[in-house]
Amino acid sequence: AQKVTQAQTEISVVEKEDVTLDCVYETRDTTYYLFWYKQPPSGELVFLIRRNSFDEQNEISGRYSWNFQKSTSSFNFTITASQVVDSAVYFCALSAPLGTDKLIFGTGTRLQVFP
Amino acid sequence: DTEVTQTPKHLVMGMTNKKSLKCEQHMGHRAMYWYKQKAKKPPELMFVYSYEKLSINESVPSRFSPECPNSSLLNLHLHALQPEDSALYLCASSQGRRQGYGYTFGSGTRLTVV
Repeated sequence: AQKVTQAQTEISVVEKEDVTLDCVYETRDTTYYLFWYKQPPSGELVFLIRRNSFDEQNEISGRYSWNFQKSTSSFNFTITASQVVDSAVYFCALSAPLGTDKLIFGTGTRLQVFP
Repeated sequence: DTEVTQTPKHLVMGMTNKKSLKCEQHMGHRAMYWYKQKAKKPPELMFVYSYEKLSINESVPSRFSPECPNSSLLNLHLHALQPEDSALYLCASSQGRRQGYGYTFGSGTRLTVV
C-alpha cells in the first residue's frame, strides 16, 4: 500500500532561521513520482517540485532545496533563511500506481514564520 | 495562461438550495479533477475526468454531480447538501492521467452549508 507520512504537524520558527520539513513515503512501485505543494491561507495548492524515482539528485531553487533519499524513502524539504511569506501548510505527495490517477497526500505540515 | 480558475471563491447555501461550482483551464490539459478539503486535512479526491469523460468517482454521494461540458470547463452541481459538506472544493488539471504529470490547482471555492 502507498502512504505518505509527514510527522511534523506544526513548526514555528523565527524569520531567517532554516527549517526542514520531513516526508517519508511507502510504495512497492519501482517507478513513482514525489511532489511538494504549498498551501497558503488563500487556499490554492501551489506546485513546488516533482521528482521521479530514478533521479536522486538533490535540487536547489533559490531558498528552497530538496533531499531525496531512496534508501530511507524520504523526500525532505529545506527552506533556508525563512521569511514570513513562507508561512503556509506544506504537503508532500506520492503518485499512485499507473492507471489509478491519484495523488497520495501526506497530512501536511503547518509552518509559521514569525518576524 | 497557466491557471485554473474557480468561481465563486465563497459560497453559502442552504440545505434545500441548488448551486454549481465552476472550474476553467486553458492549458490544453486533458484531465480535470475535483477535490474536497476539510479544515486541517489533506485534499481528498472526488472525481476525475479524462478527455471529457468521467473516469473516476470516489464513491461520492449523489448530491454532488459533476459535469464536463468541454475540455476547458468542469462543473460541480450541488443539491440537498448537508452541513458536513462544508469544505474547500479544489479543482485541478493535468496534462493527462499518466503517472507523474502533477496537477495545477485552482484557488478553490469555500463552501458553507447552513
